[in-house]
Amino acid sequence: NAGVTQTPKFRILKIGQSMTLQCTQDMNHNYMYWYRQDPGMGLKLIYYSVGAGITDKGEVPNGYNVSRSTTEDFPLRLELAAPSQTSVYFCASSPLHGNTEAFFGQGTRLTVV
Amino acid sequence: AQSVTQLGSHVSVSEGALVLLRCNYSSSVPPYLFWYVQYPNQGLQLLLKYTSAATLVKGINGFEAEFKKSETSFHLTKPSAHMSDAAEYFCAVRPNGGLSFGAGTTVTVRA
Repeated sequence: NAGVTQTPKFRILKIGQSMTLQCTQDMNHNYMYWYRQDPGMGLKLIYYSVGAGITDKGEVPNGYNVSRSTTEDFPLRLELAAPSQTSVYFCASSPLHGNTEAFFGQGTRLTVV
Repeated sequence: AQSVTQLGSHVSVSEGALVLLRCNYSSSVPPYLFWYVQYPNQGLQLLLKYTSAATLVKGINGFEAEFKKSETSFHLTKPSAHMSDAAEYFCAVRPNGGLSFGAGTTVTVRA
């Protein structure tokens, strides 16, 4: 019963490098989300998707890109890593809007040096 | 826009004492509200959710929350704290798009 799986769990990047954080879910959920978590700030929504081929910006999208070619996968791309992107990133999914909760992955801890 | 505010970034309680975590929401209509818990180095796990079926919502691990429209609050309580309750707790609301989270409250439990 995998749920939401994120890879990698940890990564150190140099300034200016690029990388893709992978996220996959096996629950056939329509909605998927990317959040970043910084100490004392809660979780901030980066991007979300309501289904394959549809993505939209959240609260803090600058410096990130996403794609949703399949229902299962929702990768997050950092093109030019900056120290401000040092954070813990969480992917989540949910079946519908409204009163349904989101299910979270275990997180990716990213450090940009 | 719908949002939530958690009062108190840190709460320290003795084992066996009441746990009370405060959350107030801003919304022009009754919202969908959630409480999540995050244990160290883990993802978020749902504790409970309010969906307008009942104002007192019971969740996992002995937690419950009461929706009070007059106070725009959704405070989380547990009558008797256990050492395993040490974690970070997040209140969240569901506007369009993803969940909108409060800043979180870290709970420490003293033996």
